[in-house]
Amino acid sequence: AQSVTQPDIHITVSEGASLELRCNYSYGATPYLFWYVQSPGQGLQLLLKYFSGDTLVQGIKGFEAEFKRSQSSFNLRKPSVHWSDAAEYFCAVGAWGTGNQFYFGTGTSLTVIP
Amino acid sequence: NAGVTQTPKFQVLKTGQSMTLQCAQDMNHNSMYWYRQDPGMGLRLIYYSASEGTTDKGEVPNGYNVSRLNKREFSLRLESAAPSQTSVYFCASSAPGQGNTEAFFGQGTRLTVV
Repeated sequence: AQSVTQPDIHITVSEGASLELRCNYSYGATPYLFWYVQSPGQGLQLLLKYFSGDTLVQGIKGFEAEFKRSQSSFNLRKPSVHWSDAAEYFCAVGAWGTGNQFYFGTGTSLTVIP
Repeated sequence: NAGVTQTPKFQVLKTGQSMTLQCAQDMNHNSMYWYRQDPGMGLRLIYYSASEGTTDKGEVPNGYNVSRLNKREFSLRLESAAPSQTSVYFCASSAPGQGNTEAFFGQGTRLTVV
C-alpha cells in the first residue's frame, strides 16, 4: 500500500541556517513525488515535483529535493532559511495506477527564530 | 485564471444539519478530489473523481457524499453533520496524463459543527 512518512512533526531553525525536511515513501512502482507548503489559513502551494530524470530537483523559493530510490526518500532542503519560510510542509506521492490518487504525509511544521 | 475555487470559506453548522461544499476548477482537469485536514493527521482523502462521470471513495468517506456535476464542478455533501466533521476541507484537481500531474488546491473551507 502507498504511504508517506514525515518523521519530524515540528522543526525549529534559526534564520540563515540550513534546513532539511525528511520524507520517506512506500510505493510499488516509480513514484511521482511532491513537496507542498501551506501558510496559516491558506491552501497548499507546490514547491517542487519529481517524475523522472535528474534526482536533484529545484523548486520555488530556493528549495531543492533529492530523490533517493535506494532509501525511498525525497528530502527537502534549503541552504539558508528566511523568516518567511515558517509554514507547514507536506510531502506527497502520486499513484496514477490506482485511480489517480495523491497520498500525503502528516506534515512538518517549521518555526524560524531570528 | 482562478484555478480551484471553493465556497463557502467558513461555515458553522449545528449537529444534524446538512450542507454542500462547492468546488469548481477552470483548468480543464480530469481528476478532482476532496480532502479533509485535521491537526496531526495531514490531508486525508474523502472522495475523488478520476474523470467526469466517475467517483470513488477515499480513506475517510463515511458521512459524506459527492457529485461530479460536470468536468468543472465537484461538490461534497454532508447529509447530517456531526462534531467529528469539524475540519478544514480542501478541494483539488489534477490532470495526470495531460502534462500537469500535480494537484492544484483551493483555499479551503473551514467547517465547525457544534
